[in-house]
Amino acid sequence: AQTVTQSQPEMSVQEAETVTLSCTYDTSENNYYLFWYKQPPSRQMILVIRQEAYKQQNATENRFSVNFQKAAKSFSLKISDSQLGDTAMYFCAFLRYGGSQGNLIFGKGTKLSVKP
Amino acid sequence: GAVVSQHPSWVICKSGTSVKIECRSLDFQATTMFWYRQFPKQSLMLMATSNEGSKATYEQGVEKDKFLINHASLTLSTLTVTSAHPEDSSFYICSARSPGPLYNEQFFGPGTRLTVL
Repeated sequence: AQTVTQSQPEMSVQEAETVTLSCTYDTSENNYYLFWYKQPPSRQMILVIRQEAYKQQNATENRFSVNFQKAAKSFSLKISDSQLGDTAMYFCAFLRYGGSQGNLIFGKGTKLSVKP
Repeated sequence: GAVVSQHPSWVICKSGTSVKIECRSLDFQATTMFWYRQFPKQSLMLMATSNEGSKATYEQGVEKDKFLINHASLTLSTLTVTSAHPEDSSFYICSARSPGPLYNEQFFGPGTRLTVL
């Protein structure tokens, strides 16, 4: 069974600084997807970034980028130029390739606070 | 982008009553929807996978008779909490699996906060 571990329950960062959130996972699959979701106080889940395991290039979306280390089963999220609106819970999630048989497996989340 | 709605956004009910929560995919057809439960300051816990036209698949430990799921059309899944009790109070979130090229992506509804008195 797949598991997702986020070892940082809470983190804080100063506005405009850079922060990295950690995520490790365990799977015997070779093809899969990894996601970072953001859940702000409104509690709406928002997709931040997605990585396909077969792609070696790390995904980037504006200020958000990942460091995907497949051999180490590590998938960290870097937020550059942090903004107050980045304050939220961040969940790392795993999905098996060929997702018709699968569902998202979430980590326990990291609460990020961006301070002015 | 794909939009998923939930109704109601919050509900308060008396113990022993039943509550129905609707999840709709507004601009796409979703053959598969998921229902999650989230306790305060915790992660999302998958309750069941809802497939259009067939019975839902429940996760271990989720009571099928308490949490009734109906996926009667390609755009609507409902979760009915039967004979609700205070311990059923929680935040319930649905998601719908994207069809087509983004088959691997799920779109989430805004959630429903249930309070059972």
